[in-house]
Amino acid sequence: GENVEQHPSTLSVQEGDSAVIKCTYSDSASNYFPWYKQELGKRPQLIIDIRSNVGEKKDQRIAVTLNKTAKHFSLHITETQPEDSAVYFCAASRPPGNQFYFGTGTSLTVIP
Amino acid sequence: DVKVTQSSRYLVKRTGEKVFLECVQDMDHENMFWYRQDPGLGLRLIYFSYDVKMKEKGDIPEGYSVSREKKERFSLILESASTNQTSMYLCASRRRTSGSLEQFFGPGTRLTVL
Repeated sequence: GENVEQHPSTLSVQEGDSAVIKCTYSDSASNYFPWYKQELGKRPQLIIDIRSNVGEKKDQRIAVTLNKTAKHFSLHITETQPEDSAVYFCAASRPPGNQFYFGTGTSLTVIP
Repeated sequence: DVKVTQSSRYLVKRTGEKVFLECVQDMDHENMFWYRQDPGLGLRLIYFSYDVKMKEKGDIPEGYSVSREKKERFSLILESASTNQTSMYLCASRRRTSGSLEQFFGPGTRLTVL
């Protein structure tokens, strides 16, 4: 099956700085890579996703990049704000079932 | 707006008890999933279902079973609860036929087995 590794497990940044979270996957057939944000006590929610036919995708302050050859993808958050503090999970998915294989999570703290 | 609900936010059970965790979604989604979330281990898939009466094992099905008698409801069953099943349980659902693979999560049930 698929194996997704996520680093770092914790990350602290000053407000306004950038944050980068990296994930690697093992199965070259994986073709969909979502990122979920889970605030304390809340449910995980999708913040951005990317398919394997695209190398980069941006949505305001967040972006995801994908390197299929190296089998890794990264989440980039620019101009971080305190409300970005949360646990972030990456995942990989492959057909036919498209079930998600999640990374172990990154706890991001943005220091005001 | 997709709504996924779970029957309890917090549950305390004793070792050996049979435990039912219920998940209901109101968006006519075909696919439903059960995960457990543990610190440092992320979300691990227990079971999933692509349609009524269908079920598939995920990565950690041991000690669990599921039931999908109606499209909107997916139940996770712990036949004989053990202390190592103390965890946060998250249900999710997804529409099979849309272009999006997004899974929508419920609020979670924090289960403590004493």
